[in-house]
Amino acid sequence: DVVMTQSPLSLPVTLGQPASISCRSSQSLVHSDGNTYLNWFQQRPGQSPRRLIYKVSNRDSGVPDRFSGSGSGTDFTLKISRVEAEDVGVYYCMQGTHWPHLTFGGGTKVEIK
Amino acid sequence: EVQLVESGGGLVQPGGSLRLSCAASGFTFSSYWMSWVRQAPGKGLEWVANIKQDGSEKYYVDSVKGRFTISRDNAKNSLYLQMNSLRAEDTAVYYCANDPMDVWGKGTTVTVSS
Repeated sequence: DVVMTQSPLSLPVTLGQPASISCRSSQSLVHSDGNTYLNWFQQRPGQSPRRLIYKVSNRDSGVPDRFSGSGSGTDFTLKISRVEAEDVGVYYCMQGTHWPHLTFGGGTKVEIK
Repeated sequence: EVQLVESGGGLVQPGGSLRLSCAASGFTFSSYWMSWVRQAPGKGLEWVANIKQDGSEKYYVDSVKGRFTISRDNAKNSLYLQMNSLRAEDTAVYYCANDPMDVWGKGTTVTVSS
């Protein structure tokens, strides 16, 4: 099975400063159809997960443009250009390439310093 | 409004059974693969099972194979998870979600304890 490894586990950030989360997969996430099915989710305290980014870099509707995704192959990054208070929560990457078995990363907790 | 609403969680003894339900509305349920994802207390997300649009294909994480069964009723816009031989490590909030995972429910809590 594909293992998804996120770092760091915890990310204290000053309001207005950037944040970056890394996600690495144990196998390439390039699908035979040419797409890379790497998603990012946000889970605010006490809420259900919410998809932010799909296929590496595509923002979902309503997601602020301060969120961006990048990467290829086995290395991916979620960036927040300027962290706001509402961004506090846990962020997860998830691979869908080796579907139907889906795999999440362990999560990165973003908190305000 | 696009919505998924889970129900059926509760407290059950080890070795017991529960059936979770997920009611879908606001989208064409029968057009989507559907998944169950769980989150143990203070832990991360774990995909549990998914099912094809017509129910002809079903897949499970290894830890629940042979104990859990995913099913659906497209006429009722509903997804189910039959959980048997429950263990303490199955304690979690269980979410249903569509595939591509852009719609999630609020979850239902399952606690396995004596």
